[in-house]
Amino acid sequence: SAVISQKPSRDICQRGTSLTIQCQVDSQVTMMFWYRQQPGQSLTLIATANQGSEATYESGFVIDKFPISRPNLTFSTLTVSNMSPEDSSIYLCSVLILPRGTEAFFGQGTRLTVV
Amino acid sequence: DAKTTQPPSMDCAEGRAANLPCNHSTISGNEYVYWYRQIHSQGPQYIIHGLKNNETNEMASLIITEDRKSSTLILPHATLRDTAVYYCIVRVPITGTASKLTFGTGTRLQVTL
Repeated sequence: SAVISQKPSRDICQRGTSLTIQCQVDSQVTMMFWYRQQPGQSLTLIATANQGSEATYESGFVIDKFPISRPNLTFSTLTVSNMSPEDSSIYLCSVLILPRGTEAFFGQGTRLTVV
Repeated sequence: DAKTTQPPSMDCAEGRAANLPCNHSTISGNEYVYWYRQIHSQGPQYIIHGLKNNETNEMASLIITEDRKSSTLILPHATLRDTAVYYCIVRVPITGTASKLTFGTGTRLQVTL
C-alpha cells in the first residue's frame, strides 16, 4: 500500500492568483496522477505526472493552466494558475505501484474555493 | 475503457446485504471490473476487482455474470460507515501508460438504521 499526504487540505483563494498543491508519498511509486472533482460530480483525470519529463494532459486540460512537476518517485505538485470561481473543486493525487498495480491509492484531496 | 451503467442511488438497511449492480455490456475480453468507493470528503478507496471469476475479500464480494456483461458488488452486512458513492470501472490491466482510471457517476449508497 501507499500513504499519500496532500497539502494544503483546503484553501480559499482570490481569483487571478495561483495555488500549488503538493503530493507526498511514503514510498517510491511508478505512476502518479492528478484528478479534479467538481462539486457534486465524479472524478476527472487532469494529467499523468511523469518523472523528469512533462506531464501527459487529458483532453480539456493544458499545461499553462495546470502545470505539474514530478522531480522524483515520491513527490509531485499541481499548480492551479490564474484561478477563477470555476476552478473551485477538490483536487486529488493518485498513485500506482507497478508491476503489481492492482489498485490505485488516493490522497484525501485538496478542497479549493476561489472567491 | 468500456462504459459502465450504475443506478444513481440505493438504500440499504444496516445489517442487511447491499447489492450494487453494474452493467458493462461492451466489456472486452481483457478488461477487468474494478470497484472503488468514496466516502464523503475522502479520496476514493479500492474495494475489489475481477476478470471473470467471482472474487471475495475482507470488504466485499464481486459476482460477474458468465457473459461478463454485468456484475454485482455485495457488501454482506452493511453498516452506516458503508454509506458512500460506489464506482464500477472496467479497464485493461494496469500497465504503463494504460494506467488511468475513468470514473463514471457511480451509485450513492445510503445505509440506514
